[in-house]
Amino acid sequence: QSALTQPASVSGSPGQSITISCTGISSVFGTYNYVSWYQQHPGKAPKLMIYDVSNRPSGVSNRFSGSKSGNAASLTIYGLQAEDEADYYCKSFTSSNTWVFGGGTTVTVL
Amino acid sequence: EVQLVQSGAEVKKPGESLKISCKGSGYSFTTYWIGWVRQMPGKGLEWMGVIYPGDSNTRYSPSFQGQVTISVDKSINTAYLQWNSLKASDTAMYYCARPYDYDTSGPFDYWGQGTLVTVSS
Repeated sequence: QSALTQPASVSGSPGQSITISCTGISSVFGTYNYVSWYQQHPGKAPKLMIYDVSNRPSGVSNRFSGSKSGNAASLTIYGLQAEDEADYYCKSFTSSNTWVFGGGTTVTVL
Repeated sequence: EVQLVQSGAEVKKPGESLKISCKGSGYSFTTYWIGWVRQMPGKGLEWMGVIYPGDSNTRYSPSFQGQVTISVDKSINTAYLQWNSLKASDTAMYYCARPYDYDTSGPFDYWGQGTLVTVSS
């Protein structure tokens, strides 16, 4: 059981927006703004989508947006597309100077 | 171009030792952390630990502390993940990865292709 909790699955229709939550205890999230999000398609290596809560690496679509409030972070995907169907993982820095992944969320495009 | 190239798939027996590798190229190897991530079959990502090649400073997840050893040979730009006595439960895909920036051990922007480790009697 991960220290970061994500819903097992989220689904939406093409064009809709969906939000994936990531909740944790204070020793995990703390006061840090070091939450990142990864997308993983089957059989592929993960891809960084968001870092430091809300920053997008170069090349990542602006349809992906991250936020954080207290001990909860969120990833919102706007204008859902078929290619967004994948597993998504949050990751946070911890008070032990280590990092931890959430359990992962499967996004299904209906 | 930044590249992380991992060693090939391994099939081992319980109790055997193993060392897999991750060779970095296209950047200053000693100034970026390198991390390892486990993914068991059909399961999620697990952060194992990171190492800073410049001084071999290493941090482990409590879940992996004492179970594996992360090391580096900066003369050949290569990081390693090692087991002294494998268990069937070590069967997984292992990824190495590098953060997007030199001043963080965190967000992994570059990933190796993965090394599949199978432990079976």
